Amino acid sequence: TQLLEQSPQFLSIQEGENLTVYCNSSSVFSSLQWYRQEPGEGPVLLVTVVTGGEVKKLKRLTFQFGDARKDSSLHITAAQPGDTGLYLCAGYSGTYKYIFGTGTRLKVLA
Amino acid sequence: DAGVIQSPRHEVTEMGQEVTLRCKPISGHDYLFWYRQTMMRGLELLIYFNNNVPIDDSGMPEDRFSAKMPNASFSNLKIQPSEPRDSAVYFCASSRTKNEQFFGPGTRLTVL
Repeated sequence: TQLLEQSPQFLSIQEGENLTVYCNSSSVFSSLQWYRQEPGEGPVLLVTVVTGGEVKKLKRLTFQFGDARKDSSLHITAAQPGDTGLYLCAGYSGTYKYIFGTGTRLKVLA
Repeated sequence: DAGVIQSPRHEVTEMGQEVTLRCKPISGHDYLFWYRQTMMRGLELLIYFNNNVPIDDSGMPEDRFSAKMPNASFSNLKIQPSEPRDSAVYFCASSRTKNEQFFGPGTRLTVL
């Protein structure tokens, strides 16, 4: 069974701080997605990384796919209260099936 | 452009009753997914369709659950009979390619 473990599970930080969220697996994925989910809403896709070692930036968010395509990280610079939410990684395992990670719940305090 | 539409947004029912959740995918998306989200198990794929045909239902928990997609613009997920352990948020998502999924707002189901 493919599993995606995210760490930390919970994170509460002050506005302006930096943070990194990790997504790890023992399985190889052909691509990996990151989503943010706010209370009462569905997950919203932030980015898809496809190539081992790939780095993508989305404003203050930096996403990296591990060289072996088994892990990924999300780094947020100068976090803001609007970044608060549940961050989910999802690995693509083929035939349109996605395995979702355990999630990281982030709270940014003003 | 409308996103994925789900109804109802909230459903409260009693154990043993039939529950029907509905989804309208984004127009032009060939893939439709049903997920269930709970605190304990996170987001789990139940079933997905391609061009209205069920492709993989290995995530459907048991025979009480069924899903259909009679046409490209509608799908439903039925639970009969419902049980308290079915309480969760159920999401529908659609996509055109393997690198994207667009989720609906979800249906929060409570089975008493």
